[in-house]
Amino acid sequence: DGGITQSPKYLFRKEGQNVTLSCEQNLNHDAMYWYRQDPGQGLRLIYYSQIVNDFQKGDIAEGYSVSREKKESFPLTVTSAQKNPTAFYLCASHPGQVNTEAFFGQGTRLTVV
Amino acid sequence: KNQVEQSPQSLIILEGKNCTLQCNYTVSPFSNLRWYKQDTGRGPVSLTIMTFSENTKSNGRYTATLDADTKQSSLHITASQLSDSASYICVVSGLLTGGGNKLTFGTGTQLKVEL
Repeated sequence: DGGITQSPKYLFRKEGQNVTLSCEQNLNHDAMYWYRQDPGQGLRLIYYSQIVNDFQKGDIAEGYSVSREKKESFPLTVTSAQKNPTAFYLCASHPGQVNTEAFFGQGTRLTVV
Repeated sequence: KNQVEQSPQSLIILEGKNCTLQCNYTVSPFSNLRWYKQDTGRGPVSLTIMTFSENTKSNGRYTATLDADTKQSSLHITASQLSDSASYICVVSGLLTGGGNKLTFGTGTQLKVEL
């Protein structure tokens, strides 16, 4: 089945460690996005990629890094520089054309212990 | 600054009743407006998507309206069911530098349907 998959669903990290969240899609979508969701707040854009080997910072990119080596994959690394990393992280993909649908993964809940 | 504001923040209704959720936005340039349903701990799922020229769109018991002049949208849920309990998020799509869409999310309305 076509879709977008995030893994793992739950992730625990010690302070000072980097951790990578996986996002894979088989929808042949050009655009992929990472969002962060905190209680009582809307989703905020971390990074996005419109095409392979290219990505742009979103509104809250500090402390995060991404890569887009393949069309299907857009992993997000939460670095030790991110001061408040505990959150729910959502990955989305989009065909790229205006007024087409965006699809979301099921999310990864990251907890720093 | 691009913003999307939703009201009410939370809502409790009895099963079978109707309700209306509101969304005001200041995103410019505007591309389209979407309503998503998000169950706790899950990714959002699309309910409707409306472009500038569309005033209303239905998806089963969900009907969305859009007034692009006043930059307001509403989501009306008819004959609510327990399974409608979720967060409903208004998302406005603008244009990114270099092309593509930027989605600006509202904080959502948390709906609870009770017996």
